[in-house]
Amino acid sequence: EPEVTQTPSHQVTQMGQEVILRCVPISNHLYFYWYRQILGQKVEFLVSFYNNEISEKSEIFDDQFSVERPDGSNFTLKIRSTKLEDSAMYFCASSGEQAISGNTIYFGEGSWLTVV
Amino acid sequence: GDSVTQMEGPVTLSEEAFLTINCTYTATGYPSLFWYVQYPGEGLQLLLKATKADDKGSNKGFEATYRKETTSFHLEKGSVQVSDSAVYFCALPQGDDKIIFGKGTRLHILP
Repeated sequence: EPEVTQTPSHQVTQMGQEVILRCVPISNHLYFYWYRQILGQKVEFLVSFYNNEISEKSEIFDDQFSVERPDGSNFTLKIRSTKLEDSAMYFCASSGEQAISGNTIYFGEGSWLTVV
Repeated sequence: GDSVTQMEGPVTLSEEAFLTINCTYTATGYPSLFWYVQYPGEGLQLLLKATKADDKGSNKGFEATYRKETTSFHLEKGSVQVSDSAVYFCALPQGDDKIIFGKGTRLHILP
């Protein structure tokens, strides 16, 4: 079964450093997402991306965050200057259709980011 | 706005017990409803879904029925196993482009 793959699986970074989390969505999918889950808390939506632009973003997704689909296969999340509170599991996801259609959104296994 | 509420955990059961994890939703219209599962150390996996009212989603012995009268989508399993220990998330679409999750219910199954 096709799957969403994420790298790295775990990254430790110093506060203030830039981090790039990478994702390879399922190849024929058109909608891409980043979610995060702070340890022990709920899974929170960060951003959705379609047709090479952000379609929706949450309050969490401030100017420190950006997303990019640089080469038609990868989908990246950049955090420009990490803060301690950015420590979380970051999930990439993709879907073939809009969420409202009821189509399944497929998640990667996550990238665990620890900011020290 | 649209939201989903699920029962607080953790839920601890013995193997072969009957499981119910409650989920209720608030939404405009009749959105699709989902249950996702997160096994220890893993990502989110779709467990089952229902795309319209009165539909029943099922997978791996789990079932959930979309009940519009009670705005509920409770997850049930007749006989749980130790391998079902995980965190279960109820979810629904919000707007066109994303799904939102409940807070998750951690399930512990004792042998």
